[in-house]
Amino acid sequence: DAGVIQSPRHEVTEMGQEVTLRCKPISGHDYLFWYRQTMMRGLELLIYFNNNVPIDDSGMPEDRFSAKMPNASFSTLKIQPSEPRDSAVYFCASSFMAGGTSPPYEQYFGPGTRLTVT
Amino acid sequence: QKEVEQDPGPLSVPEGAIVSLNCTYSNSAFQYFMWYRQYSRKGPELLMYTYSSGNKEDGRFTAQVDKSSKYISLFIRDSQPSDSATYLCAMSKDDKIIFGKGTRLHILP
Repeated sequence: DAGVIQSPRHEVTEMGQEVTLRCKPISGHDYLFWYRQTMMRGLELLIYFNNNVPIDDSGMPEDRFSAKMPNASFSTLKIQPSEPRDSAVYFCASSFMAGGTSPPYEQYFGPGTRLTVT
Repeated sequence: QKEVEQDPGPLSVPEGAIVSLNCTYSNSAFQYFMWYRQYSRKGPELLMYTYSSGNKEDGRFTAQVDKSSKYISLFIRDSQPSDSATYLCAMSKDDKIIFGKGTRLHILP
């Protein structure tokens, strides 16, 4: 498997523009997570899905942020309108429910999208 | 008080030294305790995990959990320059993982 795939890897946009980040999870995984990472705040969970259904979006900072998962192999995170404070690295991660003493939610991260809003 | 606290470093140690990385947490509901390693410009990857209290060893790495003190540690023996990375502690509650901010580690050749 190619792992979690994210696109684009880098995005530079102007304030006020719409930004769409894309993620393809590992095949067979039933959880998908969107994170944002900055030096100041570390790795923050924005939203996560289970079987394509949003479970918890309490980490989404504002109504400007929205996420969708139309099927098991694709998810998007959209920011509209974008602002300079949205500049960060955005990670997508996926996982599957495991039994026994393995972490039930061992997460596999994509390479991230580095977003710069000017 | 934040749920997970981790010193951001940076921590610089000479090659071959023993490294100790630590986190404290406030929520006694956490059950799984993990360490993720993140190389520069890459996504985090799971390094080790422990269920409940105790120690777990994997090669040069030892993870330790003390639930009574709400304190977890990662020890790296015979540290190598390739161990230079950011180490994030993580703990799971329900179906979410809460991450520490990470400690930047530099192993000096």
